[in-house]
Amino acid sequence: DAEITQSPRHKITETGRQVTLACHQTWNHNNMFWYRQDLGHGLRLIHYSYGVHDTNKGEVSDGYSVSRSNTEDLPLTLESAASSQTSVYFCASSDPNRPTGELFFGEGSRLTVL
Amino acid sequence: QQQVKQSPQSLIVQKGGISIINCAYENTAFDYFPWYQQFPGKGPALLIAIRPDVSEKKEGRFTISFNKSAKQFSLHIMDSQPGDSATYFCAARWGGSYIPTFGRGTSLIVHP
Repeated sequence: DAEITQSPRHKITETGRQVTLACHQTWNHNNMFWYRQDLGHGLRLIHYSYGVHDTNKGEVSDGYSVSRSNTEDLPLTLESAASSQTSVYFCASSDPNRPTGELFFGEGSRLTVL
Repeated sequence: QQQVKQSPQSLIVQKGGISIINCAYENTAFDYFPWYQQFPGKGPALLIAIRPDVSEKKEGRFTISFNKSAKQFSLHIMDSQPGDSATYFCAARWGGSYIPTFGRGTSLIVHP
């Protein structure tokens, strides 16, 4: 079965370190998204991509970057981790040819920045 | 500016009761309204969705009611079960965008 996987599922790091969260999907979806989930804020969009070499900023992109070198992967990089980036991060993908635009989410990566 | 407002933030219901979660939107261009369900430790997953050309959609115990004039829609969970305990997100999307606007979520607890 096609799926979307995130790694690592849990990560503890220190302030100032670079962190990369991986996202891999096997649906061959062109659209991929990164969200962070925080209590009281729901799901906030960090970055998104509509295809290879395409990346766009979401509403909370400061301090984050992504790159899309192939269809399957959209890694999220925190260049210099800050305590405010402690959160649960979700990757999602969607098929632009489906009228519903349903998002398929991974199981999340919990990041703690000390 | 919050384009989709969801309430309540948390909800506790007894088994067998009705759970009601409400959402209001501002952008009249929205034409697709999905609800996502998220169990602890998991990612959200599409539960049910509606388009504004109908006022109600029912799938099993889950019903979406839609009021286009009031720009409001709600999720009703009939005969709520402990297994329904989860976080529920409403969302809205317009046809020209691949990105839904999410509400802030409702944490539902159904007591046995």
